[in-house]
Amino acid sequence: KAGVTQTPRYLIKTRGQQVTLSCSPISGHRSVSWYQQTPGQGLQFLFEYFSETQRNKGNFPGRFSGRQFSNSRSEMNVSTLELGDSALYLCASSGTGNGYTFGSGTRLTVV
Amino acid sequence: QKEVEQDPGPLSVPEGAIVSLNCTYSNSAFQYFMWYRQYSRKGPELLMYTYSSGNKEDGRFTAQVDKSSKYISLFIRDSQPSDSATYLCAMEGGTSYGKLTFGQGTILTVHP
Repeated sequence: KAGVTQTPRYLIKTRGQQVTLSCSPISGHRSVSWYQQTPGQGLQFLFEYFSETQRNKGNFPGRFSGRQFSNSRSEMNVSTLELGDSALYLCASSGTGNGYTFGSGTRLTVV
Repeated sequence: QKEVEQDPGPLSVPEGAIVSLNCTYSNSAFQYFMWYRQYSRKGPELLMYTYSSGNKEDGRFTAQVDKSSKYISLFIRDSQPSDSATYLCAMEGGTSYGKLTFGQGTILTVHP
């Protein structure tokens, strides 16, 4: 059974640019959530989607956005990148009542 | 005050030791409790998932939840060098769909 797949694994972007990250959940999972992980703040919740609807959103600025497609694949976008956006971005998918499975993440470096 | 508190360690133990990892929380709405293991440059891996007070065992791992004290624990028996990683507790509850609140993580090293 394939796990959660995140692409790309690594990205280097320049301040002011925008970036799109992709997440393919486990087959059959309809919930996809996104997290930012940094050494100082740990894992912080960005947003969650279920059946193409955003059900929950964390305390991040509007530059962070996401969407989910009908096949449950999800993308997140960060516009006008800042140095502080450098982080590991993790996606997790969930079925029913068995916790959340994370992907390996996308490591974003903003220079 | 953070909703979930976890001692960051680091914790260093000899191979074969019993390891105890702990988290406390303040939000009584939390109903689901998880423990994750994260190796360097990898995503978190789910170890244990519980939703009630009491103990749950899986191989060398035992998760313990005490909702009255707002305290959860993970015990690792017969620890191995391959258990060296960061261990994260995570919680979910109420109407916070898909939102896990994590502890800061405990860095564990098991030396041969």
